[in-house]
Amino acid sequence: QIQLQQSGPGLVKPSQTLSLTCAISGDSVSSNSATWHWIRQSPSRGLEWLGRTYYRSKWYNDYAVSVKSRMTINPDTSKNQFSLQLNSVTPEDTAVYYCTRGTVYANFDYWGQGALVTVSS
Amino acid sequence: EIVLTQSPGTLSLSPGERATLSCRASQSVSSSYLAWYQQKPGQAPRLLIYGASSRATGIPDRFSGSGSGTDFTLTISRLEPEDFAVYYCQHYGTSPKWTFGQGTKVEIK
Repeated sequence: QIQLQQSGPGLVKPSQTLSLTCAISGDSVSSNSATWHWIRQSPSRGLEWLGRTYYRSKWYNDYAVSVKSRMTINPDTSKNQFSLQLNSVTPEDTAVYYCTRGTVYANFDYWGQGALVTVSS
Repeated sequence: EIVLTQSPGTLSLSPGERATLSCRASQSVSSSYLAWYQQKPGQAPRLLIYGASSRATGIPDRFSGSGSGTDFTLTISRLEPEDFAVYYCQHYGTSPKWTFGQGTKVEIK
């Protein structure tokens, strides 16, 4: 049974870094078929794909244009998890953040529980 | 950039009725990469349909998907109480790589 467990602070100050972690059970972050994504949801922006990491003989990342300059996703094979770092946050980054597993059909079949992150001083 | 527009915004129906939800793409898209999700309050989205018409694991057969090109439909043949939720379509393309519609809320009439 695949489970994704998210962790991280719920409150971040403007201009600081938002950091979240997604621990995987029942699958591997180094899977040769799955991909590992971050998606956020807010009333103003709806569901917004942020980026992914995946392993195909080597590690790959790609990011949405809207966050590319500020975002990093890192896999951690020793803990079987992946993380999100979003720098220089503003109140517009306030959202519920989800980690998900991507399938070969380019959809998302397993999701973390979601984490509300509020950017406020 | 492909934009997915869902209609109606809200659908008010009674249990047992048929629900028809629309997802229209701003340009022709591959049906192989069109998916539908259900989201209930306080929960993550749940994959229902992928490849426009294939049900995900464990999804009841009252849910069906159809369509091609720019027009896609999610049909719930007979609404059960647990089906009242928000539904999103999603597409994989180029940039942005994954896009979602704005959602259709199915509420109890």
